[in-house]
Amino acid sequence: GAVVSQHPSWVICKSGTSVKIECRSLDFQATTMFWYRQFPKQSLMLMATSNEGSKATYEQGVEKDKFLINHASLTLSTLTVTSAHPEDSSFYICSARDPGENTEAFFGQGTRLTVV
Amino acid sequence: EDQVTQSPEALRLQEGESSSLNCSYTVSGLRGLFWYRQDPGKGPEFLFTLYSAGEEKEKERLKATLTKKESFLHITAPKPEDSATYLCAVRSSGGSYIPTFGRGTSLIVHP
Repeated sequence: GAVVSQHPSWVICKSGTSVKIECRSLDFQATTMFWYRQFPKQSLMLMATSNEGSKATYEQGVEKDKFLINHASLTLSTLTVTSAHPEDSSFYICSARDPGENTEAFFGQGTRLTVV
Repeated sequence: EDQVTQSPEALRLQEGESSSLNCSYTVSGLRGLFWYRQDPGKGPEFLFTLYSAGEEKEKERLKATLTKKESFLHITAPKPEDSATYLCAVRSSGGSYIPTFGRGTSLIVHP
């Protein structure tokens, strides 16, 4: 299956700082990538849909100024958590769909963010 | 609005004890039903895609089946390494590529 690489796998940052998470599709071009947040023992919560070359589409209740998404190329999307606070601590996961293949999406390894 | 309900929420099995996980769905035109496996602290790993009722797919000890209302993930003679959370998702024919996920079934297989 297709490979999606997410980096870093974990990060600890101080409250008030910003953190950038990268999501790369390694063997296909992804015009659309998705960013999810997952709380312990909960399912995936879609935060936003990242579209290459255009603005991201955010789900209701997700602050677009806090969670900045950039999809500057067909293989890279980034999520920046700005002015992070302890309540932003969570597991963030990206996924991408290869438009040339079947419709399933492939996920990155996830990033565990801890804000102290 | 698409809906996905997975049951049971948690399942404990003895090694070798076969069982099934359920995924019930409501969707306006099914474009695909997906099963994923997620290990703690990791992103979901793709297992299967099913597109139409009656379709079945197998991979090692796992077999996924699909009807018009639900999907089953059958686990035959499970091993401890099959312990994980299994997620089900659906995509409808409404034009969006965004899948709707269930809450998952947490499976623990005891040796």
